Amino acid sequence: QQQVKQSPQSLIVQKGGISIINCAYENTAFDYFPWYQQFPGKGPALLIAIRPDVSEKKEGRFTISFNKSAKQFSLHIMDSQPGDSATYFCAASMYSSASKIIFGSGTRLSIRP
Amino acid sequence: GAGVSQSPRYKVAKRGQDVALRCDPISGHVSLFWYQQALGQGPEFLTYFQNEAQLDKSGLPSDRFFAERPEGSVSTLKIQRTQQEDSAVYLCASSLRTGKGYTFGSGTRLTVV
Repeated sequence: QQQVKQSPQSLIVQKGGISIINCAYENTAFDYFPWYQQFPGKGPALLIAIRPDVSEKKEGRFTISFNKSAKQFSLHIMDSQPGDSATYFCAASMYSSASKIIFGSGTRLSIRP
Repeated sequence: GAGVSQSPRYKVAKRGQDVALRCDPISGHVSLFWYQQALGQGPEFLTYFQNEAQLDKSGLPSDRFFAERPEGSVSTLKIQRTQQEDSAVYLCASSLRTGKGYTFGSGTRLTVV
């Protein structure tokens, strides 16, 4: 059972454009939604995270939009740069309990110069 | 060190061999997780420790997989009688507390031939 579904699988965006990655979750007990960025040969690194009490969180060029009723959330990367080329994973967990993080299947993002 | 350290970085094992993968978490981090990442996929949870206690091992795929953290710091993931399907990157992550985004190591890439 895939608890966190992520799309698209791959994405090509022109430099300066907006990259959008979408995720949907099933378990309503999830209350912590991080996004991870992974470069080849490295482990995933936390990029930005949101709790469901807010609908949007922005950090620099990265924004998470959260729709609790639809059980969906998305990552927007504004003014995308070649250095943003990486694989992005959405994830979900239960914030306050001893709980593992469930990852989506990943989106390979390529930013064209 | 400042980050999560994993060794070896690469391991080639003949089918049927036993392997041991080591994880050195960030000093003082209570929680430690092991994940398995197949090529082109998101990390999948294997097991979780809080200090020396293994609180969740529901993700271990078979009884050939065993993890320990005897003194609540360094952890070892052992795979007995390796099979080709065990080929993957094994990631370790640690955090100060459970539920929050944690810090991953760069992983051990295991190839079973």
